[in-house]
Amino acid sequence: DQQVKQNSPSLSVQEGRISILNCDYTNSMFDYFLWYKKYPAEGPTFLISISSIKDKNEDGRFTVFLNKSAKHLSLHIVPSQPGDSAVYFCAASRVHGQNFVFGPGTRLSVLP
Amino acid sequence: GAVVSQHPSWVICKSGTSVKIECRSLDFQATTMFWYRQFPKQSLMLMATSNEGSKATYEQGVEKDKFLINHASLTLSTLTVTSAHPEDSSFYICSARLGLGGSSYEQYFGPGTRLTVT
Repeated sequence: DQQVKQNSPSLSVQEGRISILNCDYTNSMFDYFLWYKKYPAEGPTFLISISSIKDKNEDGRFTVFLNKSAKHLSLHIVPSQPGDSAVYFCAASRVHGQNFVFGPGTRLSVLP
Repeated sequence: GAVVSQHPSWVICKSGTSVKIECRSLDFQATTMFWYRQFPKQSLMLMATSNEGSKATYEQGVEKDKFLINHASLTLSTLTVTSAHPEDSSFYICSARLGLGGSSYEQYFGPGTRLTVT
């Protein structure tokens, strides 16, 4: 039973446009969410996080939105750049960041 | 800051042998380290949580006698795959957490170790 879902296995976006990656979760006890970016044969790189007390967190080109009632979060990348092409994982955890549960990932391709 | 290294980055071993993978936090002390496994085109699967000075906590379905984890210091955790079999071939990734409280929830990941068992 997947507690964290990323229903789009892949996404293609034109350079300069907005990329929107979605993530849904089923466990209402999750209160901390993160997005990671991963290149092939490398470890994931932390991008941005959000706690359940917020509904938006912004860091440069990256913005994460959290809709607790819908158990949904999204990552917006604006403007998208070719270097953003990677697999993006959504992760969730309960109190104090224990035992993150990762989604299956979405492969983003930014086309020049 | 918050750099995590893994060694080796790639290893091939024969069936029946054991392999040790090291995970080091280079510029911070990590009270908690995590070991993940990633199968091709799949997500990261948490194998175990390792706290310095105590026994690791293994996730359901992970054999603790096969995947030995030692977290002897605040900067080093090791994963030993014992009596390796071809089905153990995978990408193993460790991560380290700065600490509890504040904004220290983020996990910083190592670059991963590709294990191939022949």
